Amino acid sequence: DAKTTQPPSMDCAEGRAANLPCNHSTISGNEYVYWYRQIHSQGPQYIIHGLKNNETNEMASLIITEDRKSSTLILPHATLRDTAVYYCIVRVGTDKLIFGTGTRLQVFP
Amino acid sequence: ETGVTQTPRHLVMGMTNKKSLKCEQHLGHNAMYWYKQSAKKPLELMFVYSLEERVENNSVPSRFSPECPNSSHLFLHLHTLQPEDSALYLCASSPTWGSGNTEAFFGQGTRLTVV
Repeated sequence: DAKTTQPPSMDCAEGRAANLPCNHSTISGNEYVYWYRQIHSQGPQYIIHGLKNNETNEMASLIITEDRKSSTLILPHATLRDTAVYYCIVRVGTDKLIFGTGTRLQVFP
Repeated sequence: ETGVTQTPRHLVMGMTNKKSLKCEQHLGHNAMYWYKQSAKKPLELMFVYSLEERVENNSVPSRFSPECPNSSHLFLHLHTLQPEDSALYLCASSPTWGSGNTEAFFGQGTRLTVV
């Protein structure tokens, strides 16, 4: 699985957009980019995934650069309940999800 | 609520005890996983089952013994654990195994404390 690099922590004001970056410069052509989040001591929650096109669902948007070496998860209107650790994961073939250390997002009032 | 249910939510056991963790999903998924999350560490994949066959075993000590009697249930049998095995144990399931394009859903975990 390709390695990912994320900033260890970020802050965001409530109601503003939270943009979480992820670098995956060694990604291969058939590897998907997944985002999960984990709110304190709970199981990780699936957010979104994509291959090369941008994706949007009710939770977030995923923007993948044209060369696929990086992506950004966008939470359009962050709330206090969005405070969590966000994981960017890439995988291919097998369905193993290999978690890194993620980005701790703190949303403040 | 993800449709993946783990019991018990909390467990305290002595080092000589034998206990089992249970995971259940009725999502029609064919793949199930055990993860371990120790304090301040990333999640570690322990075991993967696809259609009730073990397809991944990531160098987990034999004091952890998984069992998948059918595609809806997954167990983790524990015996003679050590205090360093105290962690959050998470179960997950996904529709398929092997496509790379399928999201996994996690249970809420079992918080295990070994005393």
